[in-house]
Amino acid sequence: TQLLEQSPQFLSIQEGENLTVYCNSSSVFSSLQWYRQEPGEGPVLLVTVVTGGEVKKLKRLTFQFGDARKDSSLHITAAQPGDTGLYLCSGYALNFGKGTSLLVTP
Amino acid sequence: GAGVSQSPSNKVTEKGKDVELRCDPISGHTALYWYRQSLGQGLEFLIYFQGNSAPDKSGLPSDRFSAERTGGSVSTLTIQRTQQEDSAVYLCASSFQASHTDTQYFGPGTRLTVL
Repeated sequence: TQLLEQSPQFLSIQEGENLTVYCNSSSVFSSLQWYRQEPGEGPVLLVTVVTGGEVKKLKRLTFQFGDARKDSSLHITAAQPGDTGLYLCSGYALNFGKGTSLLVTP
Repeated sequence: GAGVSQSPSNKVTEKGKDVELRCDPISGHTALYWYRQSLGQGLEFLIYFQGNSAPDKSGLPSDRFSAERTGGSVSTLTIQRTQQEDSAVYLCASSFQASHTDTQYFGPGTRLTVL
């Protein structure tokens, strides 16, 4: 099993702040996915990164895949309350990290 | 179009009872996955089905857990002789194919509480 470590585990910030969350592994992944899960719902895919060094942007969210394809980061610019949720990373073989629980307060 | 649906949304049962959880995947999706999510934990893979191939049961935690998928569509996860540690949210997902880059579409989950 390829272990995915996510940090921080919890993050509470105010609206308008920037933040970065991380997903790390000692193993190489051919691809990595980020999901967001809101309370009472299932996770929803945000992005898939495939190429080492790849950067993808989704509005105020920026995703980066490490050059060695062992780690990834998610940066949110000017966070909004609607960004609140559990952010999960997932690698091949159906592994998910424990997630970062983000709370953005007005 | 309809997404992945799961029933029941909540299930409370007594220790030792059997439970069945149902998943209706998106029509046309050949791959179906079951996960378990406990408080403070990520998603724990349980089992997945791909077309007519034998399911990958490598994530099932014990022989009390089983799943079947009838006609390549609806799936049922059965937990026999439930234990308190089985309490969790059980999530089902489907995807068009079982590719590692394919998007998994998740249902809302079934929250199981074993008293």
